[in-house]
Amino acid sequence: QKEVEQDPGPLSVPEGAIVSLNCTYSNSAFQYFMWYRQYSRKGPELLMYTYSSGNKEDGRFTAQVDKSSKYISLFIRDSQPSDSATYLCAMSNYGQNFVFGPGTRLSVLP
Amino acid sequence: EAGVVQSPRYKIIEKKQPVAFWCNPISGHNTLYWYLQNLGQGPELLIRYENEEAVDDSQLPKDRFSAERLKGVDSTLKIQPAELGDSAVYLCASSDRTGGNTIYFGEGSWLTVV
Repeated sequence: QKEVEQDPGPLSVPEGAIVSLNCTYSNSAFQYFMWYRQYSRKGPELLMYTYSSGNKEDGRFTAQVDKSSKYISLFIRDSQPSDSATYLCAMSNYGQNFVFGPGTRLSVLP
Repeated sequence: EAGVVQSPRYKIIEKKQPVAFWCNPISGHNTLYWYLQNLGQGPELLIRYENEEAVDDSQLPKDRFSAERLKGVDSTLKIQPAELGDSAVYLCASSDRTGGNTIYFGEGSWLTVV
């Protein structure tokens, strides 16, 4: 079993839909949780950063962390075609390496 | 503020040839990472530097890969000789642990070995 698992996708949704992206992990020591967006032929771009459990909202994006279940989610409201990309979850413990999920490819259809 | 800069962006080489990638991290970031990303996969750590010291190189294939970080700023990742299976994206990232526990990536160096 990999340390970080992510919904495989690909995921296709119509414009305006609510998108839910999820990751599970096995290492209970992780305290820092991130979501990155990666467009084709580009490097990963940091979207959301959360410490420990709870919710964080930034515009149309909401990140949720449930450490008791070892489960994190990213919600995208009112999805746009420009949201079409691969979404990577990542996590770490302070001073340790960052571990990434394999990514979920999202297509938002106009 | 400039982000992480990598070069070259794209490289095509024949197998058994050498190749080198260069990275300039965000100014003031003392931690530098090289990640390997295969198609359809997430980034996987090759090596992590704290200043000029390689603190984790356990996943670096040392028979053909080498890296250095001169003066704790720029870094170079080298492959010699390259194999067909090395075709991938090589991502450089940096972080400033004092400013938060997250990392910022460059655009990547896309390697094709033919």
